Amino acid sequence: DAKTTQPPSMDCAEGRAANLPCNHSTISGNEYVYWYRQIHSQGPQYIIHGLKNNETNEMASLIITEDRKSSTLILPHATLRDTAVYYCIVRGHNNAGNMLTFGGGTRLMVKP
Amino acid sequence: KAGVTQTPRYLIKTRGQQVTLSCSPISGHRSVSWYQQTPGQGLQFLFEYFSETQRNKGNFPGRFSGRQFSNSRSEMNVSTLELGDSALYLCASSVQTGSTEAFFGQGTRLTVV
Repeated sequence: DAKTTQPPSMDCAEGRAANLPCNHSTISGNEYVYWYRQIHSQGPQYIIHGLKNNETNEMASLIITEDRKSSTLILPHATLRDTAVYYCIVRGHNNAGNMLTFGGGTRLMVKP
Repeated sequence: KAGVTQTPRYLIKTRGQQVTLSCSPISGHRSVSWYQQTPGQGLQFLFEYFSETQRNKGNFPGRFSGRQFSNSRSEMNVSTLELGDSALYLCASSVQTGSTEAFFGQGTRLTVV
């Protein structure tokens, strides 16, 4: 699976949009971009995933560049409860397995 | 629907002992994966079980093993514990192998003294 690069930490004001970037320049054509987050002392939580089109769900939006070498997770109105470590993961669906390769992630701090 | 249940939540063991951790996946889920999380190495994949068969294995020594039962519940075992095995052990359940979404439990915090 392709490797990802994320900034180690970011701050965001409560109520503002949080934009979390991820670089995955070695992504291959059949690999998806996944986002998970881990709130302190809890297990990771799935947020969203996409292949090449932008995706939106009740939690967040995922914007993938046309060349698919980077993506941005957008939390439209960040709350204090969104403070967590956010992991960007690239994974193929043809490996017949559920292994997730976590990097260091981005520690997002939402401030009042 | 109940989430992923891991037991026990906390455990203290002595070096050289062995330990067994348990994971009950979400009802209807047949794939269970295990991860180790430490401050130094982050989240690392241990292994995945689907239909009682190990499907994938991470880069861990043979002291780490697991199994899955016919009801999809899974256990992982660590033998001859070392201080470095102190970690949060997380279990993730998915509908099947190759699923798009994994649901994680709260984890078992293992401390080796």
